[in-house]
Amino acid sequence: QVQLVQSGAEVKKPGSSVKVSCKASGGTFSSYAISWVRQAPGQGLEWMGGIIPFFITANYAQKFQGRVTITADESTSTAYMELSSLRSEDTAVYYCATNIYCNSTSCYTGEYWYFDLWGRGTLVTVSS
Amino acid sequence: EVVLTQSPATLSLSPGERATLSCRASQSVSSYLAWYQQKPGQAPRLLIFDASIRATGIPARFSGSGSGTDFTLTISSLEPEDFAVYYCQQRSNWPPFTFGPGTKVHIK
Repeated sequence: QVQLVQSGAEVKKPGSSVKVSCKASGGTFSSYAISWVRQAPGQGLEWMGGIIPFFITANYAQKFQGRVTITADESTSTAYMELSSLRSEDTAVYYCATNIYCNSTSCYTGEYWYFDLWGRGTLVTVSS
Repeated sequence: EVVLTQSPATLSLSPGERATLSCRASQSVSSYLAWYQQKPGQAPRLLIFDASIRATGIPARFSGSGSGTDFTLTISSLEPEDFAVYYCQQRSNWPPFTFGPGTKVHIK
């Protein structure tokens, strides 16, 4: 069974950067689409960007262009999201999500850019 | 950017009742729409994709319909575990992929 294991909570100062990792435990994801979705406290879901590791190039929401970098290391089945110039409004839970779904015996590729499998989330708190 | 609007914002129902949730897109997304359920402290869970296809392991009481700009998620008979927030998401026009603001289904 594939699981997405995210790095732990972070507390950052305004103006600094944070890098969150997401490891596909129990599988590889070179042909899957990995997205990063964030959720501010009490708010909805917001897609930040995504990458298909096989193609290397990431796509970003315009809102985050220039501040976010999404990368993937196929050798370790780990994706990363780095967000710079942090401000208090960036305080949120950051999720990685992908198009892998599993039944009791096997895992399969789902439709690209739907989010079948999610990590548990990483809380990033930006505070002075 | 495709803007998704969900209605109602909150739905107050009793177990056993039928829930009907709406999602409207600012432009056509064909059938490229999904529904997610999120409970407090948990990641979202994919329920429906391509407007009407249930994801693996999703009970038959959940159904989706619609195409173009108007979509509906129906829960035929609410179970206690169904009280949650529901989001729609489109993957037709991107970037970005967008989510609706959510509908909270709570116990009456």
